[in-house]
Amino acid sequence: DAGVIQSPRHEVTEMGQEVTLRCKPISGHDYLFWYRQTMMRGLELLIYFNNNVPIDDSGMPEDRFSAKMPNASFSTLKIQPSEPRDSAVYFCASSLALGEKLFFGSGTQLSVL
Amino acid sequence: SQQGEEDPQALSIQEGENATMNCSYKTSINNLQWYRQNSGRGLVHLILIRSNEREKHSGRLRVTLDTSKKSSSLLITASRAADTASYFCATDAKGNTGKLIFGQGTTLQVKP
Repeated sequence: DAGVIQSPRHEVTEMGQEVTLRCKPISGHDYLFWYRQTMMRGLELLIYFNNNVPIDDSGMPEDRFSAKMPNASFSTLKIQPSEPRDSAVYFCASSLALGEKLFFGSGTQLSVL
Repeated sequence: SQQGEEDPQALSIQEGENATMNCSYKTSINNLQWYRQNSGRGLVHLILIRSNEREKHSGRLRVTLDTSKKSSSLLITASRAADTASYFCATDAKGNTGKLIFGQGTTLQVKP
């Protein structure tokens, strides 16, 4: 398996634009997580899915953030409109079971100017 | 708030020396995990230790868990330059339904 695949690797956009980050989890993993990493706040859990259903989105910072998982092999994290404070590295991770080993993607480095 | 707090924040050692990183947490856990992150990359899982375990080994890694003190340590023996990375502990708190909460990490530099 190729592991968790995220795209794009880097995204530079202007304030107010819509940003969509994409993730393909490892096949057979029932859980998918979106994390955000910044120097100030470290790694924050934004939302996680179980069998494509959002279970806990308490970490989503604002209504500007939304996440979907239309099928077992694809998830998106959308920010609309984007703001400079959204600049961070966004990671997707998947796992076989809750609380168990996470497999991370390479992340998307987002810069909002 | 962060569940795990790593100590020290930064560590610099010579190749061949041992490196010890500590993690303290606040609430009861189901398990505690350690991850490594190389610069500009995603996190890689190193080891998982469950609340009923006290010590685990994996190659040059040794992890201990003291649930009475709510702390864990990661020991890397005979360090190599390739071990240079950030190391994070993550806890699966009881009642938190499997959400892994990460600490701020320890940045390890191993000088050749």
